[in-house]
Amino acid sequence: EVQLVESGGGLVQPGGSLRLSCAASGFTFSSSWMSWVRQAPGKGLEWVANIKQDGSQKYYVDSVKGRFTISRDNAKNSLYLQMNSLTAEDTAVYYCARLGDRQVYGYWGQGTLVTVSS
Amino acid sequence: QSVLTQPPSMSAAPGQKVIISCSGSSSNIGKNYVSWYQQVPGTAPKLLIYDNNKRPSGIPDRFSGSKSGTSATLGITGLQTGDEADYYCGTWDNSLSAGVFGGGTKLTVL
Repeated sequence: EVQLVESGGGLVQPGGSLRLSCAASGFTFSSSWMSWVRQAPGKGLEWVANIKQDGSQKYYVDSVKGRFTISRDNAKNSLYLQMNSLTAEDTAVYYCARLGDRQVYGYWGQGTLVTVSS
Repeated sequence: QSVLTQPPSMSAAPGQKVIISCSGSSSNIGKNYVSWYQQVPGTAPKLLIYDNNKRPSGIPDRFSGSKSGTSATLGITGLQTGDEADYYCGTWDNSLSAGVFGGGTKLTVL
C-alpha cells in the first residue's frame, strides 16, 4: 500500500524558515517523480514543485522560486521542501504527492499545515 | 486567478448527471493530458481520472472524462450524496513549465 506521510509543519513568523518532510513507502521511491502541492485555507490546489527521480531536474511555481528548495534522499525514501523567507501568502496545507507520467498526482499524503503569522 | 477555468459551483439531484468543465489554452490542455481529482472537505485530494479519460482501479464507471481542443470535462452519472466534494482539473503548462490546476468546482447533491 502506498503511503506518504508529511511532517514538519507548524507556526512560523514572517521571514522565517521551515523544512517539510515526506516519508514514502509501498512503492519504489527512487523510480518516481515527486511533487509538493499546497492549499491555502478555503482556497484551491496550487502546484508548488516537482523533482525528478535522481534530483537532477526541479521545477517550481514562480511565487516560490528563490525561496523554496525541493530535494530528496532516495536512501531514506524521503522528500523534502526547504522553505525560506516565508510570508503570510505561504500559509497552507502542504501535500506531498507521487507524480506519475503526464503530471498525474497518483497518490497524496494527508498534508501538513504551515501557518505564517506573527 | 487559476490558469485553468472551472465553474465555482454546481448542483444536481441524486440520480442525475452533471458535467464539470475545465477550460485552458494551447499551452496546457491543448498539448497535454488532463487529470481530475476529488477532494472531500478536510481530506486529501484523490485521483479520479487521468490521461483525459482513464479511471484508476477502484473508481466507478459513473465517473468519466473527455478532452477536446483546449477544454476538458468530467462527467458524473447516477449522483449520490457521497459525491458531494470539490473537483479539480490539472495538467502541465508548457509555456510556464509548471503544473496547473483549475480553481475547483464545489458539487452539491441536493
